Amino acid sequence: DQQVKQNSPSLSVQEGRISILNCDYTNSMFDYFLWYKKYPAEGPTFLISISSIKDKNEDGRFTVFLNKSAKHLSLHIVPSQPGDSAVYFCAASPSGGSNYKLTFGKGTLLTVNP
Amino acid sequence: DGGITQSPKYLFRKEGQNVTLSCEQNLNHDAMYWYRQDPGQGLRLIYYSQIVNDFQKGDIAEGYSVSREKKESFPLTVTSAQKNPTAFYLCASSQSGTGRLEQYFGPGTRLTVT
Repeated sequence: DQQVKQNSPSLSVQEGRISILNCDYTNSMFDYFLWYKKYPAEGPTFLISISSIKDKNEDGRFTVFLNKSAKHLSLHIVPSQPGDSAVYFCAASPSGGSNYKLTFGKGTLLTVNP
Repeated sequence: DGGITQSPKYLFRKEGQNVTLSCEQNLNHDAMYWYRQDPGQGLRLIYYSQIVNDFQKGDIAEGYSVSREKKESFPLTVTSAQKNPTAFYLCASSQSGTGRLEQYFGPGTRLTVT
């Protein structure tokens, strides 16, 4: 049973436009969410996170939006650049207690065309 | 430079042989993790350790073993009991007690078993 779902395996965007990557989750215990970027044959790189006490977090060109009632989050990249082409993973975790486990989605391949 | 190192980058083994993947971190992080990535799949947790001399099974621990004798090191052994060992293996670490759950990843080891 997939608790974190990224329903779009791929997304193609023109350079300079907005990229929107989506993620849905089913576990109500999840209250901390992260986005990672991954190039082929490399480890994922942490991009941005958000806790459930917020509905938006920004860091430069990257903004994450959280809709708790819909159990949905999205990553916006504005403006998109060719170097943003990579696989993006959404991850989630309960923040309480001593459980540090992250549950990952299957990823979305973003291609930014020059 | 602080970071996580994994060696080797590529590893080839014959079926029936055990193989140990190295993971070292100098970030002074308490927690360390091993994930496996298969094509088209997200990251699946194999084992994790929150403190030295303690570790827990993740979602797919069968056929794997770990040790955590030092804070800096978390080696993973892929045993001959693992039915599908060929995969991309990722090690990660995180700091506990900060309220932030970001995990930082090494560059990965591509294991091919024939």
